[in-house]
Amino acid sequence: QVTLRESGPALVKPTQTLTLTCTFSGFSLSTSGMCVSWIRQPPGKALEWLALIDWDDDKYYSTSLKTRLTISKDTSKNQVVLTMTNMDPVDTATYYCARTSYGSGSSYYFDYWGQGTLVTVSS
Amino acid sequence: QSVLTQPPSVSGAPGQRVTISCTGSSSNIGAGYDVHWYQQLPGTAPKLLIYGNSNRPSGVPDRFSGSKSGTSASLAITGLQAEDEADYYCQSYDSSLSGPHVVFGGGTKLTVL
Repeated sequence: QVTLRESGPALVKPTQTLTLTCTFSGFSLSTSGMCVSWIRQPPGKALEWLALIDWDDDKYYSTSLKTRLTISKDTSKNQVVLTMTNMDPVDTATYYCARTSYGSGSSYYFDYWGQGTLVTVSS
Repeated sequence: QSVLTQPPSVSGAPGQRVTISCTGSSSNIGAGYDVHWYQQLPGTAPKLLIYGNSNRPSGVPDRFSGSKSGTSASLAITGLQAEDEADYYCQSYDSSLSGPHVVFGGGTKLTVL
């Protein structure tokens, strides 16, 4: 059974750095083809992909946010960590981590999602 | 502005068939990249509904189907039920940007009348 759970602060101040942890079970990030992504959703708005890390420790970021994002993994702990620097109120959103598969049509998709964690940016 | 364009809302009566379109361009859907669909019930995380254009994960009813043609894709829901009322998102990959860049549609709210 695959499960993912996000954890981190519910409230951060502007200019601070956000650190989120995704703890998962039911699969291993050391298995070839496995990936984990972070996706966010501002209140009432659409989904936005942020970052992806794969089994080979390759990392990919949203072009618009890549200067602020860092994704890393701890395979022994079954965890993926996302840091986002210089937080702003517009970054207020629910942040999801998701197991990510690579389909035959050269496209990643998200087959299991965590419940999400709401992060509010406010002074 | 989302890279993939969806209608903001669609509606249908119970038992009817509705379709949700997802329009892209030559750098994403038109380039041959697969389209995937997610259902997000109110207050919950998205759930994978269709992957690889037309494949249903285990447990997804066959009332849901997906297709792709040219630079567009569609999600069809037949035999509409009250429990289908949700937001639906399409997703693909765009090669116009450096590295693998996942893109989502803006989402479509389905109302069951």
